[in-house]
This record gives sequence, structure tokens and C-alpha cells, in this order.
Amino acid sequence: QKEVEQDPGPLSVPEGAIVSLNCTYSNSAFQYFMWYRQYSRKGPELLMYTYSSGNKEDGRFTAQVDKSSKYISLFIRDSQPSDSATYLCALIIQGAQKLVFGQGTRLTINP
Amino acid sequence: DAMVIQNPRYQVTQFGKPVTLSCSQTLNHNVMYWYQQKSSQAPKLLFHYYDKDFNNEADTPDNFQSRRPNTSFCFLDIRSPGLGDAAMYLCATSRDVGAGEKLFFGSGTQLSVL
Repeated sequence: QKEVEQDPGPLSVPEGAIVSLNCTYSNSAFQYFMWYRQYSRKGPELLMYTYSSGNKEDGRFTAQVDKSSKYISLFIRDSQPSDSATYLCALIIQGAQKLVFGQGTRLTINP
Repeated sequence: DAMVIQNPRYQVTQFGKPVTLSCSQTLNHNVMYWYQQKSSQAPKLLFHYYDKDFNNEADTPDNFQSRRPNTSFCFLDIRSPGLGDAAMYLCATSRDVGAGEKLFFGSGTQLSVL
């Protein structure tokens, strides 16, 4: 079993739709949760960063962490074609030096 | 302004011919990482430097080496590239190590092996 599971998609939705991206994980020691966005042939860029359970909102993006279920989500409201990218979840354990990435979900927003 | 710069963006090499990828940073971060990312896969950490201290991942092949001559620069050397080494190579930096640190990635070097 992988430490972090993420559906690779592809996921295709119309412009303006609400998008939900998800990851599950197996190790309850994960405490920091990140979402990276990666455009084609580019490096990942940090989009959202959360610690422990709860919600964090930044503009059209909301990151949600449910530690009891070992489940994290990224919601994109009013999705735009410029949101088309691969979204990677990344988790890290307190005291560890290595991020554990999900496989990434390829998202396409259709005009 | 680019903060983590990788050169070249695209590199083509021949099977078995040594190749070097470079990374520079303007953030003055202590830590520099090299990741390998194959198509539709998660980035895989190869190794990282904390200042001058080299930290190799247990499953990184000996074919991969790294050098960090100063704070700003880090190099990835592939001594004898195989077809399976074709991938995107990502350099990243962070101010320090630890769970609270954020990574900043470069745009990557896409390596092709012929």
C-alpha cells in the first residue's frame, strides 16, 4: 500500500464548476499537508499549506484536512481554464526531512 | 523573478554518456534537493544537501551523484545514463529541513536518453 493515494484522473470539468481533488494516506503521523500545482513541463509550485485538521481558504481555493479519516481535499471554486494543471498533494511527518507526494491528478477546465 | 533556476530546460544525451544538470538559487536557502519525476508519477527524492552535508536516499542508484560547490549552486551528475533515466529532474530549495518548511521548485530539466 502506498503511503499516499491520489487518483491520477484525468479529470475534465466545465469552466465555473466546483472541483474537488482528494488524497488519502495511511500514516497517522503525517501532520503537515500541502497542495502543489504543476503546469505542463514546469516545476511544482506551492498552492496551499495546512497543519493538522481543519479548513484553510485562499481566494478560490480551500484546503481541507480530516485527520480522523486520513483524508485531505482541495476545492477550487469558479474554476478557470488557467486552473488546468496537475495537482499534487504532499505530506510530511513532524521531524521528518522528506515530503511524500501523491501521484498527482491531471485537471482540465474546459471553456 | 525566478528564484530557483535550472539549466538547461531540455537535455538530450546518449545512452551511457555522462551528463550534468545544474541548479542555482537566489533565496540563500540552506537546503537543496534533487527530485526525479517520470511521466504521470510523483516526484521521487534522490538526495538533498543541508548546507554542505549530503544526504542520499537509500534507493537512489549509484549512477546518480551530486555536488554543491557553494550555497547557490547544486549539480546532478548522471554517470552512465540509461533509457530508464529519462525523466524530468526537479531541483528544489528550502530554508531549513523539517515538517514546517516549504519547498520552492525550479522549472525542471527534461532529460531524454537516446
